[in-house]
Amino acid sequence: GQQVMQIPQYQHVQEGEDFTTYCNSSTTLSNIQWYKQRPGGHPVFLIQLVKSGEVKKQKRLTFQFGEAKKNSSLHITATQTTDVGTYFCAGRERGGADGLTFGKGTHLIIQP
Amino acid sequence: KAGVTQTPRYLIKTRGQQVTLSCSPISGHRSVSWYQQTPGQGLQFLFEYFSETQRNKGNFPGRFSGRQFSNSRSEMNVSTLELGDSALYLCASSLWVGSSGNTIYFGEGSWLTVV
Repeated sequence: GQQVMQIPQYQHVQEGEDFTTYCNSSTTLSNIQWYKQRPGGHPVFLIQLVKSGEVKKQKRLTFQFGEAKKNSSLHITATQTTDVGTYFCAGRERGGADGLTFGKGTHLIIQP
Repeated sequence: KAGVTQTPRYLIKTRGQQVTLSCSPISGHRSVSWYQQTPGQGLQFLFEYFSETQRNKGNFPGRFSGRQFSNSRSEMNVSTLELGDSALYLCASSLWVGSSGNTIYFGEGSWLTVV
């Protein structure tokens, strides 16, 4: 079945440094979504990318979808303590009948 | 408007028992999906319902079942509980099935502990 790999599993950064998490799918995706989960909380939808090569920005966050629609990345510029949490990518296989497949997430830890 | 509501929030069950979890989607949303979240396996898709019909199902044993009612509210049931079923069970609602242009909203989850 479809697999979504996400790296790194953990990332420690100093406040103000940049952060990037990468997502790779074993199959071509119809689209990819990104979620953030704060400690003790539930996943919150951040964005969806649909088009090959698409790039979207939300303030300090930049999301990219690969040309082959099999990989994606999330980049945060100048991290802040409020960025702490786990970032998940999730995709649905193109033409597939399964639900969303989530990556295992990248835990972002920020040291002040 | 109110978000996705899940009940109960916390529960403890004994091995062999069964459990029913409830989810009320956002008003107007007709699709409900369920996920299991554990530290080891992460978020895993259980099933997805739309208009009272199961549209997709994840790779879980038959002990896991669900249903959706005419008001879009959904329940999931786990029978013959095992220790490994201890997890956070998340419900998510959306306007329709499929993810294209379809924002998914998660509830706060039901924490199940099996002892």
